[in-house]
Amino acid sequence: GDSVTQMEGPVTLSEEAFLTINCTYTATGYPSLFWYVQYPGEGLQLLLKATKADDKGSNKGFEATYRKETTSFHLEKGSVQVSDSAVYFCAYAGGTSYGKLTFGQGTILTVHP
Amino acid sequence: DAGVTQSPTHLIKTRGQQVTLRCSPKSGHDTVSWYQQALGQGPQFIFQYYEEEERQRGNFPDRFSGHQFPNYSSELNVNALLLGDSALYLCASSPAGGRAEAFFGQGTRLTVV
Repeated sequence: GDSVTQMEGPVTLSEEAFLTINCTYTATGYPSLFWYVQYPGEGLQLLLKATKADDKGSNKGFEATYRKETTSFHLEKGSVQVSDSAVYFCAYAGGTSYGKLTFGQGTILTVHP
Repeated sequence: DAGVTQSPTHLIKTRGQQVTLRCSPKSGHDTVSWYQQALGQGPQFIFQYYEEEERQRGNFPDRFSGHQFPNYSSELNVNALLLGDSALYLCASSPAGGRAEAFFGQGTRLTVV
């Protein structure tokens, strides 16, 4: 069935380090792909999205490219900050699912000064 | 704009009881989806409401039911609570029948004892 697989965490980095969180998906058709972020005690916030192959989503220094050939949507940031510490979720919505989101299990990121 | 608001924020119930959670969507949004997020897991889709009808449903038993009102607000009802129903329940709203990205509320933390 359809699913999303994220790299297992937690991920611990020093401030200004490079971040990659891997995400691969299994889905039929041409899904839209998303990264959501969840800060402690809060709901989910949309970080970025891509709706078709080769699209690059970007926001707040984070980037992810929709790679249909490898069914991947890896999240990257060149220089992380302490304030980026949160849980990151990869998700997709199928082409006809009217916004039903399927999420990965989440990756906990902790950034130390 | 108040965004997506959920009530209550926290709730403790006894096994076997029934619970009702409430969600007010973001202004201009007509579609409401509910998700269950167990501790340390990604959110799982419960169901989605549009035009006061359940349009899609995830793999949840009939003990989980919902309603959408003419003002687009929504309720999630869970009957015969089990210990395993303890989770963060997230409401997400989206415009245009769910064909655009979803915005999430802060969630209701349900604890079943």
